Amino acid sequence: GAGVSQSPSNKVTEKGKDVELRCDPISGHTALYWYRQSLGQGLEFLIYFQGNSAPDKSGLPSDRFSAERTGGSVSTLTIQRTQQEDSAVYLCASSLVGQGVGNQPQHFGDGTRLSIL
Amino acid sequence: SQELEQSPQSLIVQEGKNLTINCTSSKTLYGLYWYKQKYGEGLIFLMMLQKGGEEKSHEKITAKLDEKKQQSSLHITASQPSHAGIYLCGADMYSGGGADGLTFGKGTHLIIQP
Repeated sequence: GAGVSQSPSNKVTEKGKDVELRCDPISGHTALYWYRQSLGQGLEFLIYFQGNSAPDKSGLPSDRFSAERTGGSVSTLTIQRTQQEDSAVYLCASSLVGQGVGNQPQHFGDGTRLSIL
Repeated sequence: SQELEQSPQSLIVQEGKNLTINCTSSKTLYGLYWYKQKYGEGLIFLMMLQKGGEEKSHEKITAKLDEKKQQSSLHITASQPSHAGIYLCGADMYSGGGADGLTFGKGTHLIIQP
């Protein structure tokens, strides 16, 4: 597709369940980013992939969060044993090259709105 | 503490009036990005500024980065209902090809009154 695609657009689940969020970046974009947006917190950077590798995972909120990217394209963000504080909009972005290398803008998907009951 | 401060938090402007949104940091910004967001949607890229003193315009929106690269302003001339939304500034706070994502301000909620 022309833009960054995220699925599902909305997810409601019970506390304690695992969830998997998917991001399909713009074709040809080597860099992929995950952010979380919650009320009062603004946009919070989670993790960045250059190709299939994530150099720094320290932005992930807890060890219940993990992310992977295969084939240099689609990425999944997995949250295990969800808690109510995980409720937020999870946004994915991609850019032509990585941050700090030529400073290319990041293009965002519409996000996944996650609600934990 | 918030590394990137945006002001004002919200703004109500009569259609046709001009307005300015500010984004300020205590640190040098290595790339400043302006985005617009509508409720329930992702961020739409507006402009990117990299050099001190740089200014860019697109249609009725102008963005500037000061010489010290610590403050940026977004100016809308003759505002229209289509300008309504949340404006976010994002910045690359680290030099040297770091692998960190952007740091964002908390956004400015713009309402245009007819």
